[in-house]
This record gives sequence, structure tokens and C-alpha cells, in this order.
Amino acid sequence: AQKITQTQPGMFVQEKEAVTLDCTYDTSDPSYGLFWYKQPSSGEMIFLIYQGSYDQQNATEGRYSLNFQKARKSANLVISASQLGDSAMYFCAMREGLYNQGGKLIFGQGTELSVKP
Amino acid sequence: AAGVIQSPRHLIKEKRETATLKCYPIPRHDTVYWYQQGPGQDPQFLISFYEKMQSDKGSIPDRFSAQQFSDYHSELNMSSLELGDSALYFCASSLQNLGTEAFFGQGTRLTVV
Repeated sequence: AQKITQTQPGMFVQEKEAVTLDCTYDTSDPSYGLFWYKQPSSGEMIFLIYQGSYDQQNATEGRYSLNFQKARKSANLVISASQLGDSAMYFCAMREGLYNQGGKLIFGQGTELSVKP
Repeated sequence: AAGVIQSPRHLIKEKRETATLKCYPIPRHDTVYWYQQGPGQDPQFLISFYEKMQSDKGSIPDRFSAQQFSDYHSELNMSSLELGDSALYFCASSLQNLGTEAFFGQGTRLTVV
């Protein structure tokens, strides 16, 4: 069965510094997608970045990058130059299958990130 | 760009009452997913529909039912509400065979008192 683990319940980072949020996953399907979502206190779920299991390069989206280590089954999110507005809950999620067939996402427990001024 | 629309945004119901949550997917998206997020918890998959047919089912209580209509909007019906049903309910939509991302609505916050 697929599983996502986020071992950091809470993290602090100084404004303008980089931070890494950890995520490990488990699946027996060779085709899968990994996602990171941001959930601010207002509650909406904001998509940040996606990595497919066959992607050769690490995904990047602006200040977000995904450190994908397939052999270790890890998909850590790196946020560069943290901003106060980055304070939120961050969820790692996985979907078996590269596209949306079967489509449900399995989420990790989340990491609460607090950015200090 | 049009996003996933959920209504209502907030809902307060009493125990044993019924609630209906609505979801309007992004135009031309053929798949809808429902998730439940309890306080301080990660979202849990409830049910999904592809082309108006149920495609997958998660930990959805028997008291809940859902359907997708001909215009692709979806409704989650919740009966005999319990205090533990208080949660944030998300709808997401996607294209089944194109793209990788499911787009989430802003959620409906249900409070059962």
C-alpha cells in the first residue's frame, strides 16, 4: 500500500534563508507522481510542485524545488529565500500512476512551517 | 482562469441533520474528487467520479453519498450528521488522461453542533 511520511511536525526558518521539508514515500507501483501543496491558515490547498517517477531532473517552480532521490524514496521540498508569506502547513502527497487514472492523492501528515522575521 | 468552485464555503448544522456540499469543476475537467480534512489532520480521500461514474472509493461513511451530474458538477450528501463530521471538505477536479495535477477548490468548512 502506498504511504507518505513527513517526520517534521513543525519547522522554523529565518526570513531569506532556505529550508528543506522532508518527505519519504512507499509504493510498489513504478509509475507515480509526487506533489507538494501549501495550506495557509485560510484553508485552501495550493499546488506548489510536481515530480513524476520517470522524470530525470528535479522539478523546480520559482523558489520551490523538489529534491527527488528515487532510490531512497524521498521527495524533499526546498524553499529558497523564505518569505513571511511562506508560513503555512505543507503537505507532501503521492498518486500511483503518472496521469490521473485512479487519481486519488495520499497525503502525508504535514509540516507546519513558521518563517521568522 | 476558472477554478474549482465549492459551495457553500461555510456550513453549520446540528447533529442528525443533513448537509449537501456542491462542487463545480474546472470546465472540461472530467474527474472530480472529494476529500475530508479533520482539524489538524491531513486530507483523506472520500470518493471520485470520472465521466459521471464512480471511479474510486475511500473511507467514506455509509451516511454519505455523492454523485456527478450531466454538467459534471458534483454533490456530496451527508445525512445523520455527527460531531465528528466537522471538517474541511475539499473538491478537486482534473482531466483523466491529460496532465498530472488535480486542482483543489477552496473547501467547505462544515461545523456540526
